[in-house]
Amino acid sequence: VQLVESGGNLVQPGRSLRLSCVASGFTFDDYAFHWVRQAPGKGLEWVSAISWNSGSTDYADSVKGRFTISRDNAKNSLYLQMNSLRVEDTAFYFCAKTLHPIVVAGAFDRWGQGTLVTVSS
Amino acid sequence: QSALTQPASVSGSPGQSITISCAGGNSDVAYNYVSWYQQHPGKAPKLIIYDVSKRPSGVSNRFSGSKSGYKASLTISGLQTEDEAEYYCSSYRSSSSLVVFGGGTKLTVL
Repeated sequence: VQLVESGGNLVQPGRSLRLSCVASGFTFDDYAFHWVRQAPGKGLEWVSAISWNSGSTDYADSVKGRFTISRDNAKNSLYLQMNSLRVEDTAFYFCAKTLHPIVVAGAFDRWGQGTLVTVSS
Repeated sequence: QSALTQPASVSGSPGQSITISCAGGNSDVAYNYVSWYQQHPGKAPKLIIYDVSKRPSGVSNRFSGSKSGYKASLTISGLQTEDEAEYYCSSYRSSSSLVVFGGGTKLTVL
């Protein structure tokens, strides 16, 4: 089981960035996925979730209206489109797989290694 | 959307037991969907407890979880030096955000 994120970069405030997470080693479309971020030296913050079939999505208030989560089950891939980026969005972004099939909320049993997004002018 | 409340730090000696608390409310910890994660510096979090007290395959039985009302707890018995890490609790939340984390607890093994 492996999750590999990519797409992190240095970007100016107000710009956009798209993160990707490619999964392998399990049946991708059986599970919901989440994005969790961690500012350098800080704690974990839940960002967004998507159900196994993209029928349900959810967002933290801090990113609602600016970030969009999506997935492509044919490509075993998860995405996070981040628009109108702010300095406070600077963080490592982790994709995380839910432990139980189908269930959206609950524990995350597999995490990627994280990709760093730095928002700065 | 306030985080769950954890102590900033705890410490213990090798072989001892420690407990980390995680306080929430009736919209989160009241449900039996509390998880605990261990994170070493520069690494991704690792799931060690889910659904309050269940251990994933491969996790040492020195780790145990419990809950009373709106407070969940993680107990680590027989402390080992490799247990030194940051620990986070997490819960499903029925209002506002779907998932909420605690602020994290730094465990030092003296």
